[in-house]
Amino acid sequence: SQQGEEDPQALSIQEGENATMNCSYKTSINNLQWYRQNSGRGLVHLILIRSNEREKHSGRLRVTLDTSKKSSSLLITASRAADTASYFCATDANPGAGSYQLTFGKGTKLSVIP
Amino acid sequence: EAGVVQSPRYKIIEKKQPVAFWCNPISGHNTLYWYLQNLGQGPELLIRYENEEAVDDSQLPKDRFSAERLKGVDSTLKIQPAELGDSAVYLCASSLEGGNTEAFFGQGTRLTVV
Repeated sequence: SQQGEEDPQALSIQEGENATMNCSYKTSINNLQWYRQNSGRGLVHLILIRSNEREKHSGRLRVTLDTSKKSSSLLITASRAADTASYFCATDANPGAGSYQLTFGKGTKLSVIP
Repeated sequence: EAGVVQSPRYKIIEKKQPVAFWCNPISGHNTLYWYLQNLGQGPELLIRYENEEAVDDSQLPKDRFSAERLKGVDSTLKIQPAELGDSAVYLCASSLEGGNTEAFFGQGTRLTVV
């Protein structure tokens, strides 16, 4: 089963524009992570935000977390063609049990047009 | 430092044949995951190890899938016998402390069952 749900499923933008992807999840979490996957490759970790944090930045990435709404967003500013990839959110699905399982959503496929 | 190493990268087998995938995680990482990823979908957890103990294998189809992580280091995932529906990418990942820390992924093994 998949805990996270990304929205939109696909996003196409022009180079230089900002891209925003959203993630909703169902259960309480310790942290939420975002990953990128280029076609035919493994996943690459982008950013981890803990449940007591509301916003985090890393270069052109900005992640927000709203635990009351069980949602997170990933903003990529000034997008580049190289940002074309699928983006996944992942959560630890059973934090209360002390079990640090990592569960992924279905992803948002981002296309940045040069 | 080497990342997570998986082999083989590609495998084509006939249905009903056995197949095995190998994963060498990052040195010092206690947690090892095996995920299955279908085209256009997010990774789905098959099994998670903490050191040599399988702590979450609820999603592993135990009638045909087996896994082991001897000495808490590298791991093998086996399918016997393979079915057409097993065609997918099998991803291995490792982390220091489960979902509480970032996971590092291998390139994956793309399995095609014909």
